Amino acid sequence: NAGVTQTPKFQVLKTGQSMTLQCAQDMNHNSMYWYRQDPGMGLRLIYYSASEGTTDKGEVPNGYNVSRLNKREFSLRLESAAPSQTSVYFCASSLSGPYGYTFGSGTRLTVV
Amino acid sequence: GQQLNQSPQSMFIQEGEDVSMNCTSSSIFNTWLWYKQEPGEGPVLLIALYKAGELTSNGRLTAQFGITRKDSFLNISASIPSDVGIYFCAGQPPSVDKLIFGTGTRLQVFP
Repeated sequence: NAGVTQTPKFQVLKTGQSMTLQCAQDMNHNSMYWYRQDPGMGLRLIYYSASEGTTDKGEVPNGYNVSRLNKREFSLRLESAAPSQTSVYFCASSLSGPYGYTFGSGTRLTVV
Repeated sequence: GQQLNQSPQSMFIQEGEDVSMNCTSSSIFNTWLWYKQEPGEGPVLLIALYKAGELTSNGRLTAQFGITRKDSFLNISASIPSDVGIYFCAGQPPSVDKLIFGTGTRLQVFP
């Protein structure tokens, strides 16, 4: 029972570098989400995908792009990393809408 | 956008004490959920509430969906050291297919 798997767990980038955060779920969930977590800010939605082939912006989409590669996988790309993107990133999935999000264990990203 | 006000921000309590935290909003929600996040992990669902006035328990945890649909409460009875973590409320607004999260309550339990 893997649930939601995120890779990598830790990453350090230099300003301007690009990278892709990977997320995969094995629960046959329709919806997938990317959040960032910053101290005192809770969880803020970056992008989400209600179903395969669709993606929508969340609260803080600037500086990010996403790809819903198939029903299982939803990746988050930083094209040109900035120090303001230092954060912990969580991927989540749900069968439909808000009923029981399952979260991955997170990617801790530092941009220097 | 919509925001959830979660309080308190942090709590430092002694083992065995009861804990109360709450979330409020200026607008109504159709669903309220409570999550717990332990260090180095993602949030895990504790309790889900789907009807105004609903009171639901999960072991020592009890949560309520406020009658006005604008608030929710979580109580933990007889706290133990493994209750340590960050507790998040989350709500689903009407006609919106995603959750809004509160800013979290950090709970520390001392033996």
